Amino acid sequence: DAKTTQPNSMESNEEEPVHLPCNHSTISGTDYIHWYRQLPSQGPEYVIHGLTSNVNNRMASLAIAEDRKSSTLILHRATLRDAAVYYCILRSGFNYGQNFVFGPGTRLSVLP
Amino acid sequence: DSGVTQTPKHLITATGQRVTLRCSPRSGDLSVYWYQQSLDQGLQFLIQYYNGEERAKGNILERFSAQQFPDLHSELNLSSLELGDSALYFCASSFNQNTEAFFGQGTRLTVV
Repeated sequence: DAKTTQPNSMESNEEEPVHLPCNHSTISGTDYIHWYRQLPSQGPEYVIHGLTSNVNNRMASLAIAEDRKSSTLILHRATLRDAAVYYCILRSGFNYGQNFVFGPGTRLSVLP
Repeated sequence: DSGVTQTPKHLITATGQRVTLRCSPRSGDLSVYWYQQSLDQGLQFLIQYYNGEERAKGNILERFSAQQFPDLHSELNLSSLELGDSALYFCASSFNQNTEAFFGQGTRLTVV
């Protein structure tokens, strides 16, 4: 079973920032926080990942709480192309059985 | 392009038949994962291989089997096919347990 909790759906207006939350209260010290997204009719796409510090890349930013029990994926300016299902996943080098299990994710709608 | 290649892209077959889906991971990646996604359903983890060895099993039916070959490509074998096996089958690869993973575009299997 997935060890993360995300809202089922969120809406955003185009050109505005989007904050997608994820709770992972049972995270262990070796768990990395990964985000992926799946656009309609496509395979999932890697977005970003981090361990303890906040991370930025060309697609998004990842803000990790100090206690690591929650994180937020930040899309700085939503576009129509960002409409997708976003998945927050914990990955560990030691927990093969639960390593890459997807939950239902958050369906993001972007309004023009 | 994720660098993960899945073939064939589409497959139509009859009930009771057997098919083989193929996945070539990104260059340098040692782990391969297989997922099933039925229409409007989530991603169901099937099985993971790491450097030729099975590492984790999810909800994989006994009629399904997989292997990873010395050149690291993987095959998913589906036998005694049923109508309910119609789905998108995705393969993903990663270097190790906690690095980012990349997905192929999937094989769409239709059982008639």
